Amino acid sequence: AQKVTQAQTEISVVEKEDVTLDCVYETRDTTYYLFWYKQPPSGELVFLIRRNSFDEQNEISGRYSWNFQKSTSSFNFTITASQVVDSAVYFCALSVNAGGTSYGKLTFGQGTILTVHP
Amino acid sequence: NAGVTQTPKFQVLKTGQSMTLQCAQDMNHEYMSWYRQDPGMGLRLIHYSVGAGITDQGEVPNGYNVSRSTTEDFPLRLLSAAPSQTSVYFCASSQSSGANVLTFGAGSRLTVL
Repeated sequence: AQKVTQAQTEISVVEKEDVTLDCVYETRDTTYYLFWYKQPPSGELVFLIRRNSFDEQNEISGRYSWNFQKSTSSFNFTITASQVVDSAVYFCALSVNAGGTSYGKLTFGQGTILTVHP
Repeated sequence: NAGVTQTPKFQVLKTGQSMTLQCAQDMNHEYMSWYRQDPGMGLRLIHYSVGAGITDQGEVPNGYNVSRSTTEDFPLRLLSAAPSQTSVYFCASSQSSGANVLTFGAGSRLTVL
């Protein structure tokens, strides 16, 4: 079975601070994908990034960066110079690729509520 | 392109009532799924489908039924609603190839009194 843990339930920062959201996962499968989704106050789920288990390169997209470390089973998400619009719930998720597909099944973490104060 | 459309957005039921949450996608995705979101628990998979006529249970299937008669539609049925089914429900779809990035609907908030 798969498991994703986001130990930080809530984080509160002041605008322009950097913030890191932690994600630790468990799986016995060697082929898997990791995801981050954002859920703003409006409630929809917005896809941010996907990483496969064979690619440990860090990724940067504007103010967002992701650090994937298989040795610690972690896939952390950093927002640099946070802004009020970053306030949202952030979910880390895992899918395993059995036979070449995950069948669209994701295992989600509990979510981290990020509040950025002006 | 509408993506994934869920109806209704809000619904209040009394214990024991039945209802169907509708989900439709126009992206010709083979995979569709239903998740429920509860505070502190993230999203949990209820049922999923890998194509028309094929469905399977997820992590929390009890109390819910699904069917997939067409590629586009994947309704979720509550036959006898219980207060424990008060939640926000999300329908999602994805392609059958690759990493299966999910596209989610806007969500349906259900309250069972």
